[in-house]
Amino acid sequence: QSVLTQPPSASGTPGQRVTMSCSGSSSNIGSNYVYWYQQLPGTAPKLVIYRDNQRPSGVPDRFSGSKSGTSASLAISGLRSEDEADYYCAAWDDNLSALFGGGTKLTVL
Amino acid sequence: EVQLVESGGGLVQPGGSLRLSCAASGFSFTNNWMHWVRQAPGKGLVWVSRVKSDGSSTDYADSVKGRFTISRDNAKNTLYLQMNSLRVDDTAVYYCASVTLWFGELGMDVWGKGTTVIVSS
Repeated sequence: QSVLTQPPSASGTPGQRVTMSCSGSSSNIGSNYVYWYQQLPGTAPKLVIYRDNQRPSGVPDRFSGSKSGTSASLAISGLRSEDEADYYCAAWDDNLSALFGGGTKLTVL
Repeated sequence: EVQLVESGGGLVQPGGSLRLSCAASGFSFTNNWMHWVRQAPGKGLVWVSRVKSDGSSTDYADSVKGRFTISRDNAKNTLYLQMNSLRVDDTAVYYCASVTLWFGELGMDVWGKGTTVIVSS
């Protein structure tokens, strides 16, 4: 069981906006940056958000991240079929380890 | 081309050992923290370990502490993971990943394709 909690699934239709959450505690999300990774089937993860709300070069501005207290969210607007993937949040924990959430499987209907 | 290539995975019996390697090219390996992340079949990502750019500092997940050792050879642009006392639940795809400082402590912006470790009798 992951210390960062994510809903197991989310869905939306093309063009919609979907959000997915990541809940932690004061020792991880509450005091450290949150990162988001996209993992397409059969491939390695890809960084889509770093330092809570920053997008790496090449990641569409449809992807946005936010954080409040001990929770964080990833939002995808203008949903497209190629966004169908597993999404993981991650944060450093003050107990000197990194944590990943259990992942949210996004389905584009 | 920026890439990480893992090798060394395979089938090993419980209690056995394996050494994974990760060869880096196309970027400044010597400036970057390096991580190992694993993923059991059908499961999520799990952080395993990290090593500082100069090899002077390491951290481990509790589940592997005392059994796994991360190291690097900056002259060879290669990262290693020595895995001892392997257990069935260590079965996973093992990814190496690089963190460019700009992205923060967990901003793994370069990933390998992974190498598969199967622990079974």
